[in-house]
Amino acid sequence: AQTVTQSQPEMSVQEAETVTLSCTYDTSESDYYLFWYKQPPSRQMILVIRQEAYKQQNATENRFSVNFQKAAKSFSLKISDSQLGDAAMYFCAYRSAHLSGGSQGNLIFGKGTKLSVKP
Amino acid sequence: KAGVTQTPRYLIKTRGQQVTLSCSPISGHRSVSWYQQTPGQGLQFLFEYFSETQRNKGNFPGRFSGRQFSNSRSEMNVSTLELGDSALYLCASSLGGRLVDEQFFGPGTRLTVL
Repeated sequence: AQTVTQSQPEMSVQEAETVTLSCTYDTSESDYYLFWYKQPPSRQMILVIRQEAYKQQNATENRFSVNFQKAAKSFSLKISDSQLGDAAMYFCAYRSAHLSGGSQGNLIFGKGTKLSVKP
Repeated sequence: KAGVTQTPRYLIKTRGQQVTLSCSPISGHRSVSWYQQTPGQGLQFLFEYFSETQRNKGNFPGRFSGRQFSNSRSEMNVSTLELGDSALYLCASSLGGRLVDEQFFGPGTRLTVL
């Protein structure tokens, strides 16, 4: 079975600084997708960034970028120029690329990392 | 375009009762997934419906059930509520055609079982 591990329950960053959130996963599949979701306090979860496993190039979305290391099964999220609005729970998630895959096409989430941003 | 909506937002029930939660996906989305979020277990997948058919089901007891209507709206039902069912229930919709499609989450229904 696939698992996703976020080893940092809480992280803190100074406004305008850079922070990296860690995520490792375990799978025997070669074809899958990885996601980072953001859940602000009492607000809806939104997708931050996604990575397709077959793509070697790391995904980037404005101030958010990932470091995808397929062999090491690592998928970290880097937030540059941190803003107060970045404070939230961040969830790393895995999804098989096929309905017949281990996750049956559904998202498997890590336990999350609570990010605080200090002004 | 309106986002995913869930009703009710908050619900208080007692043990043994049953509850029905509703989710309206984004217009045009055909897939609706349900997740349970608790502090202890985190986010766990309940089931997914695509074009009125249950496509996948998570590892939850049969007390948890769901359905999807022809307009893609979905309901989930929990019968014989237990204290451990207290959680935030999230619904997410996507176009449904591809697994890489983004899932858009609703605000959730906070269920408290007393």
